[in-house]
Amino acid sequence: NAGVTQTPKFQVLKTGQSMTLQCAQDMNHNSMYWYRQDPGMGLRLIYYSASEGTTDKGEVPNGYNVSRLNKREFSLRLESAAPSQTSVYFCASRTWTGVGNTEAFFGQGTRLTVV
Amino acid sequence: TQLLEQSPQFLSIQEGENLTVYCNSSSVFSSLQWYRQEPGEGPVLLVTVVTGGEVKKLKRLTFQFGDARKDSSLHITAAQPGDTGLYLCAGVRWSADGLTFGKGTHLIIQP
Repeated sequence: NAGVTQTPKFQVLKTGQSMTLQCAQDMNHNSMYWYRQDPGMGLRLIYYSASEGTTDKGEVPNGYNVSRLNKREFSLRLESAAPSQTSVYFCASRTWTGVGNTEAFFGQGTRLTVV
Repeated sequence: TQLLEQSPQFLSIQEGENLTVYCNSSSVFSSLQWYRQEPGEGPVLLVTVVTGGEVKKLKRLTFQFGDARKDSSLHITAAQPGDTGLYLCAGVRWSADGLTFGKGTHLIIQP
């Protein structure tokens, strides 16, 4: 019952450092998403991948890059971390068939602090 | 741009009381979902409402989708401490670009 697995769970970075957040799902979902959650702001979409081989920007893409490595894995990279990127990051996946009302499954989150 | 307005943002009530959380938008969605999130965890789906005017019940929780499919409400009857958590509404569009979330309602049920 793994579902969506994110690593790491916690990370502290210095300003300017880079890192990659990993996400893998074992539910054969075609679509995967990266959100960030900040106090008072809710969940905001950073990037998404509707299907293997495609990626698109969401609401807050600046400072991030993504890679859809295969159907299972979708990584999020911070090239030069900034304090404004301190947040909790969630990966999610779902099967999108064009109807849109399928359940999204979330990982447990990565709590990132940039100092 | 925050397309979904959720209210109230915080709610603390006594066990046994009833409460309603609202989710409003100026946009039409193909469906609307409600998620519950506990500390240190990701959101977990409670329900999806699809048809305008639809009402769904999940034990003591009642979910309603507005006739115009722009708003929704969550009503909890006889709240219990186990209902404590962050409740998020999410609008689902006809495209693949994920869900639009409201800012959430932090609910605390005191024994």
